[in-house]
Amino acid sequence: DVKVTQSSRYLVKRTGEKVFLECVQDMDHENMFWYRQDPGLGLRLIYFSYDVKMKEKGDIPEGYSVSREKKERFSLILESASTNQTSMYLCASSLYGPPRVQYFGPGTRLTVT
Amino acid sequence: DAKTTQPPSMDCAEGRAANLPCNHSTISGNEYVYWYRQIHSQGPQYIIHGLKNNETNEMASLIITEDRKSSTLILPHATLRDTAVYYCIVRALTGTASKLTFGTGTRLQVTL
Repeated sequence: DVKVTQSSRYLVKRTGEKVFLECVQDMDHENMFWYRQDPGLGLRLIYFSYDVKMKEKGDIPEGYSVSREKKERFSLILESASTNQTSMYLCASSLYGPPRVQYFGPGTRLTVT
Repeated sequence: DAKTTQPPSMDCAEGRAANLPCNHSTISGNEYVYWYRQIHSQGPQYIIHGLKNNETNEMASLIITEDRKSSTLILPHATLRDTAVYYCIVRALTGTASKLTFGTGTRLQVTL
């Protein structure tokens, strides 16, 4: 069965803190993605990775960085959390080949105070 | 990627089939149709996908018209746990990875 897990379901951090969100998939997928979801704005792609140590910016990478040291793990880093980064963060993974179905994790609801 | 149009909401009685339509009149030949659903405060769940042919899996059936300009997701026996927002997405596979763009979807309410 397909499995994408995220390190936390709920997280509360203070402004200026460094925040790590971890995502692990057990499907040997090449592609991994980080999205954020906000009411009225839908899903927005932050970063994605198509291989170990490879990364590409999505639509809203400002304020975020990522790390992919192992194929199964993709980390999202908020270098200095701000209140406008309060959101639901969703990780997904897919095979490189078609149809590239993306499987999502349960999400992390991050609140920055 | 082609734009999709879905009704904002639908109701369905438990045990009946839920038929969720999606219009994608500008779809091109290399674009897939994907369906996802999202239950409140959870990550999106993949349901089914298709390119040209009708598809069926353990969750649902996907009927794509011959001209590919529209499709219908069918949940054959809806239950209360199928209450969710359903998203129809049309996407071409370009580059090294292809992002998903979720529209506003259809909010399906399954009732007793």
